[in-house]
Amino acid sequence: NAGVMQNPRHLVRRRGQEARLRCSPMKGHSHVYWYRQLPEEGLKFMVYLQKENIIDESGMPKERFSAEFPKEGPSILRIQQVVRGDSAAYFCASSPREQIYEQYFGPGTRLTVT
Amino acid sequence: DAKTTQPPSMDCAEGRAANLPCNHSTISGNEYVYWYRQIHSQGPQYIIHGLKNNETNEMASLIITEDRKSSTLILPHATLRDTAVYYCIVRVENFGNEKLTFGTGTRLTIIP
Repeated sequence: NAGVMQNPRHLVRRRGQEARLRCSPMKGHSHVYWYRQLPEEGLKFMVYLQKENIIDESGMPKERFSAEFPKEGPSILRIQQVVRGDSAAYFCASSPREQIYEQYFGPGTRLTVT
Repeated sequence: DAKTTQPPSMDCAEGRAANLPCNHSTISGNEYVYWYRQIHSQGPQYIIHGLKNNETNEMASLIITEDRKSSTLILPHATLRDTAVYYCIVRVENFGNEKLTFGTGTRLTIIP
């Protein structure tokens, strides 16, 4: 059973461009979580999605960031007009349902904004 | 969710037991204690969790004090592959509250 997949693993964008990060959850998992990790810091929760629904976006910046998890295909975290402060590692996790103790994390996408 | 306090770093000799403490003095009755680890910038990995009883699995043991204000993660026979940042997380298991709140963790270094 393949684990959580994220692509690309590394992404370089110039200031003002758009970044699209993809996350394919584990097979049979319908819950996806996005976290961001700035250098030398712990992970910070961004958003929790189920298929076609955003359940908790309390950690998402109010502007430029959006997330979706369509009925078919991977979850997408989209960052518009990137700035240098967006440079970070973005991790996706998945679980088969809510209220389960274990979230399975992907390898992350490292975004660098130049 | 309650706040946790962990030492920033620890060393442990290979083959010895690694004991990682966590303070969560403001924990409430329905909050669970979780441990995750992150090996060299990889995605975090779940280790163990518990409410008030001690727990053991193939990776580790979790000892929670009777008043639940602190806990200890024990890696019984540490190997070099256990070098990682270990996060203690406290979370209420309510519907919709699925997020994990990571602090800065303890950077554990296993010494050969």
